[in-house]
Amino acid sequence: GNSVTQMEGPVTLSEEAFLTINCTYTATGYPSLFWYVQYPGEGLQLLLKATKADDKGSNKGFEATYRKETTSFHLEKGSVQVSDSAVYFCALSGSGGSYIPTFGRGTSLIVHP
Amino acid sequence: DVKVTQSSRYLVKRTGEKVFLECVQDMDHENMFWYRQDPGLGLRLIYFSYDVKMKEKGDIPEGYSVSREKKERFSLILESASTNQTSMYLCASSSRFWGSNQPQHFGDGTRLSIL
Repeated sequence: GNSVTQMEGPVTLSEEAFLTINCTYTATGYPSLFWYVQYPGEGLQLLLKATKADDKGSNKGFEATYRKETTSFHLEKGSVQVSDSAVYFCALSGSGGSYIPTFGRGTSLIVHP
Repeated sequence: DVKVTQSSRYLVKRTGEKVFLECVQDMDHENMFWYRQDPGLGLRLIYFSYDVKMKEKGDIPEGYSVSREKKERFSLILESASTNQTSMYLCASSSRFWGSNQPQHFGDGTRLSIL
């Protein structure tokens, strides 16, 4: 079956540091890949997505590139802010035509001033 | 913007009670989902519905049932609440029209405590 593996957290950074959160996946076919963000006390919201190999998704300074050869979709940001503190989920959807997405377990990011 | 609204942000119930969690979406989405979220376990799918009156079991359906009488509304029912159902419950919706690779839209969650 499908699976998504994320690096375990928490990831603790100082403001303006570079962020990488690793995500690798196993899936059949050609899924779309997503990063969602969950701020404290809220539900998940879509951060960015990529629908095919070599696509780069970007939003709010975050980027991730769909790498089919390494089955990865790592999230990066050049300079994090305290307001980026949240839990980040990597997910895939559309594998084998299924409408049920597969989520990673989430990575907590804590940014200190 | 898609809006997914969950009826309660916080709910406290007693063991053995029948509990209803309601979710409404305003974007005419065909797919609706109920998840529970627990620390260290991520999101776990309870039930999925792809049309009115249609439902599929997810990974952890035991102790839960669902109802989808209208396209916009998806209810999660705890038939006889137990303390191990204390959790954060998240509702989500997505479109089928554009294919199976569409993102989900989430509500803000209901934090349910069973005493």
